[in-house]
Amino acid sequence: NAGVTQTPKFRVLKTGQSMTLLCAQDMNHEYMYWYRQDPGMGLRLIHYSVGEGTTAKGEVPDGYNVSRLKKQNFLLGLESAAPSQTSVYFCASSFTPGLASDEQYFGPGTRLTVT
Amino acid sequence: AQKVTQAQTEISVVEKEDVTLDCVYETRDTTYYLFWYKQPPSGELVFLIRRNSFDEQNEISGRYSWNFQKSTSSFNFTITASQVVDSAVYFCALRDEGNFNKFYFGSGTKLNVKP
Repeated sequence: NAGVTQTPKFRVLKTGQSMTLLCAQDMNHEYMYWYRQDPGMGLRLIHYSVGEGTTAKGEVPDGYNVSRLKKQNFLLGLESAAPSQTSVYFCASSFTPGLASDEQYFGPGTRLTVT
Repeated sequence: AQKVTQAQTEISVVEKEDVTLDCVYETRDTTYYLFWYKQPPSGELVFLIRRNSFDEQNEISGRYSWNFQKSTSSFNFTITASQVVDSAVYFCALRDEGNFNKFYFGSGTKLNVKP
């Protein structure tokens, strides 16, 4: 049981380049989330998904797109990377739809640098 | 609006000292859940505890204890007899029934435990 995995672990992009971050979970969780972590700002929600085929915007969605074609995978895309998107990106998942008590399980993070 | 405040940006203690990490939250919901996560230098986020708004009993787990006080909207975390392995960033988070899709994270407190 690998839990939540993220690919890649590190990436350096040039401004304007595109890339996709992959999140995979093997816990059969319904909900999946993408966060970014910046110094002194905690974690901020970018997008989330409440099930296969559905996505929704979080707190800071601009410049990102997501897709959830399969229940176990949640992809985060940057179409035209900007230096402001330099951050550590975390994926998370949780099991019980609509249950506020359910904690999130986090992946190990992806460190992205945009030059 | 929901908000989590961790006013202590960084704390340094010497091993074996006790240390308390503060967390103050804001929410209009009467049903909500509070969480603490630990982020060690390796970067992953580790779930520590969940507390619901109807249970104000303090909780103790080994050297860790949590003090939940609704009257002051606080959910403080104390480490007794700190150890070097406790060095990490600690995040407090809020999730409420009105918006269960989202976690609201504080900005984190970095704890340095020196030998």
